[in-house]
Amino acid sequence: GIQVEQSPPDLILQEGANSTLRCNFSDSVNNLQWFHQNPWGQLINLFYIPSGTKQNGRLSATTVATERYSLLYISSSQTTDSGVYFCAGAHNAGNMLTFGGGTRLMVKP
Amino acid sequence: NAGVTQTPKFQVLKTGQSMTLQCAQDMNHEYMSWYRQDPGMGLRLIHYSVGAGITDQGEVPNGYNVSRSTTEDFPLRLLSAAPSQTSVYFCASRHPAVGNTIYFGEGSWLTVV
Repeated sequence: GIQVEQSPPDLILQEGANSTLRCNFSDSVNNLQWFHQNPWGQLINLFYIPSGTKQNGRLSATTVATERYSLLYISSSQTTDSGVYFCAGAHNAGNMLTFGGGTRLMVKP
Repeated sequence: NAGVTQTPKFQVLKTGQSMTLQCAQDMNHEYMSWYRQDPGMGLRLIHYSVGAGITDQGEVPNGYNVSRSTTEDFPLRLLSAAPSQTSVYFCASRHPAVGNTIYFGEGSWLTVV
């Protein structure tokens, strides 16, 4: 199956700072998604992004499918951005997702 | 619209006991799945279903059974609980069309003593 590696594993930011999270895949994926897990455990889908770039407010994501990696950008971070960010992928859009180990983000006021 | 509903939210079991985690969705999604999340780790796929009457194994299926008799419900059964099954369990659903959002339940915290 697909292997998914995320970096960095942990990240501490001061409020207002920007950050980049990375996700590498061992094989090509046609279904790639980013999730945020808040401190209460709730999982929220951020982006479906098998290729290209998308933006949603202060968050944006870029996937370079040919090089098998994706980046999540967080700009002007806020304390509410704290939590764990997961990327997940699958060979095909219909397959179930394989998750990476996550990046644990703490944003300090 | 309740989304994906999991019950119970918390459960403590003794080793060897059996139990069922319930999952229901009201979005008419064909795809449903169960993941487990161990402390400090990502989610691992236990079982999944692409429609009523169809189930398949994921990455870590041992010790668990599932069935899908209706589109709405996808229960996960622990046959004989072991301490290694202490984890947080998430049910998820989505429509199979490309790009459709995956929705997660709020999780079920299970402790096996």
